[in-house]
Amino acid sequence: NAGVTQTPKFRVLKTGQSMTLLCAQDMNHEYMYWYRQDPGMGLRLIHYSVGEGTTAKGEVPDGYNVSRLKKQNFLLGLESAAPSQTSVYFCASTSAAPNYGYTFGSGTRLTVV
Amino acid sequence: AQSVSQHNHHVILSEAASLELGCNYSYGGTVNLFWYVQYPGQHLQLLLKYFSGDPLVKGIKGFEAEFIKSKFSFNLRKPSVQWSDTAEYFCAVNVPSYNTDKLIFGTGTRLQVFP
Repeated sequence: NAGVTQTPKFRVLKTGQSMTLLCAQDMNHEYMYWYRQDPGMGLRLIHYSVGEGTTAKGEVPDGYNVSRLKKQNFLLGLESAAPSQTSVYFCASTSAAPNYGYTFGSGTRLTVV
Repeated sequence: AQSVSQHNHHVILSEAASLELGCNYSYGGTVNLFWYVQYPGQHLQLLLKYFSGDPLVKGIKGFEAEFIKSKFSFNLRKPSVQWSDTAEYFCAVNVPSYNTDKLIFGTGTRLQVFP
């Protein structure tokens, strides 16, 4: 009964370093999303995918890249981390259109120093 | 621009008080509406959702929300809050005719309930 699993849960990066956040879902969901959550700004969509092999930009895509090579996995990459990317990152998925509601992962807390 | 507004940023209540959190959206036409809750240190969980039909929607843990189309609102209510309701609450909207692929979230309302 895993649902949506995010790894890692915590990470500290130095400015300029790169990393990849992994989101894995075992519910055969088509749609997957990456959000960042910052105090007072709620959830902002970074990138999303409507199916294997597809990706699309969200509200705040700059500085991030994504890939959806397998249906169950959605990777979020930071090529050159900046302090402005310090945030909590949430992955979410849904089976069909989002009017079914999302299932969220437990989040990744990233600090860039 | 399309948006979801939650005007109450921080609400403080005593146990047993009644709760109403505001949510307004700026889309015309058909909308699907959601309330999510995020307990401290946890991920977001779905509280309730509205697609169509009865505008008064009942969710988990005694929460309910009323869709008022003329006011573009979907306010969340609970008659008597508990300390365990301390959390952040997010309203979200999906507009099938416009952004079929995703939800748009409000900025959230932090609720603190004191014993």
